Amino acid sequence: QLQLQESGPGLVKPSETLSLTCTVSGGSIINSPYYWGWIRQPPGEGLELIGTINYSGSTYYNPSLKSRVTISVDTSKNHFSLNLSSVTAADTAVYYCGRTDVLSTVLWDWGQGTLVTVSS
Amino acid sequence: QSALTQPASVSGSPGQSITISCTGTSSDVGGYNYVSWYQQHPGKAPKVIIYDVSIRPSGVSNRFSGSKSGNTASLTISGLQAEDEADYYCISYRSTTTLGVFGGGTKLTVL
Repeated sequence: QLQLQESGPGLVKPSETLSLTCTVSGGSIINSPYYWGWIRQPPGEGLELIGTINYSGSTYYNPSLKSRVTISVDTSKNHFSLNLSSVTAADTAVYYCGRTDVLSTVLWDWGQGTLVTVSS
Repeated sequence: QSALTQPASVSGSPGQSITISCTGTSSDVGGYNYVSWYQQHPGKAPKVIIYDVSIRPSGVSNRFSGSKSGNTASLTISGLQAEDEADYYCISYRSTTTLGVFGGGTKLTVL
């Protein structure tokens, strides 16, 4: 049973960089045919796909966030990470990681989500 | 990037059927059979209930069905049950961004 777990600070100051890690257990990222993605959901709002990455580091980013987002993968630790720079209050959201495919339309497995608040 | 268009809310009585629409363009919904639907209960992560327009993952009730016509995909829930009360999201592959794009979400209320 594949499990994903997000980790990282729950509070980030405006203009700083939000950094989260998703640790995968019960399966291996390396040589997997899947992509691994980040999705966020502001409180009371809808879902937004941030971007995806595969084990070799091939990435796809949401154009509206592309200038501020970096997604990376560490196959030795079986985890992938999200960096979102220059955050504002609008970046306050529950951040989910998930297992998907290259088209990123089927998110088969999700982490439980972690709330990140941007506030001074 | 603009989200796919879903009604903000729908409602129905137990036993009834409801349909939720998801409207896009020829660059996403209309151009590809890569539309999925997710169910999200409060405080929980979403769960996929339909993928590739009309395929149900193993374990998902056959009361959920999906279809597509032109630029609009639809999710139909038949025999409504109280446990179906949740938020529902569609997502489609979008060729201009090579990434999926979500709909704005629909809140289903079971009366």
